[in-house]
Amino acid sequence: TQLLEQSPQFLSIQEGENLTVYCNSSSVFSSLQWYRQEPGEGPVLLVTVVTGGEVKKLKRLTFQFGDARKDSSLHITAAQPGDTGLYLCAGAETSYDKVIFGPGTSLSVIP
Amino acid sequence: DAGVTQSPTHLIKTRGQQVTLRCSPKSGHDTVSWYQQALGQGPQFIFQYYEEEERQRGNFPDRFSGHQFPNYSSELNVNALLLGDSALYLCASSRWEGLNTEAFFGQGTRLTVV
Repeated sequence: TQLLEQSPQFLSIQEGENLTVYCNSSSVFSSLQWYRQEPGEGPVLLVTVVTGGEVKKLKRLTFQFGDARKDSSLHITAAQPGDTGLYLCAGAETSYDKVIFGPGTSLSVIP
Repeated sequence: DAGVTQSPTHLIKTRGQQVTLRCSPKSGHDTVSWYQQALGQGPQFIFQYYEEEERQRGNFPDRFSGHQFPNYSSELNVNALLLGDSALYLCASSRWEGLNTEAFFGQGTRLTVV
């Protein structure tokens, strides 16, 4: 059974600080995706990583896919209050498989 | 482009009743997936529809059923509602593009069972 774990579960930081959240599994994924979800809304896709060791940057966000394609990290530089939300990782073992989600990391950035 | 739209946005039902939730996919998308998200948790996969057939299913009982129409829109039906079915129900649409397939989510339907 595929399972994605995320850590930490909750994170509260001051504006301007850096942070890293992690997504881990015992399964190998063909691709991993990161979403951000705000209260009362559906998740919004931030990035998809498909190659082991791949690093993608999206402004202040840096995403990395582990070499073995079992884990991923999201690093945010100089966090802003607008970064507040639930960060979800999701993946599928093959491109035809159902996409499963981790439990999420709830980030709160305090002005 | 209206993106993925879901209706209704909120719904209150009584235990034992039946409910139907609706989803219109993003233009150009032919695949619809449904998820259940309990408060404080990540979305749980219910099932996926493609070409009007259920292609994959998660660990949900038969009380959860669905349908996809020729215009790719979809319905999620839940029978004999339980208190534990209270959750945000999310619809995601996509068009297969291999590893780069991207799913777009609607805003969800908040179902409360009392």
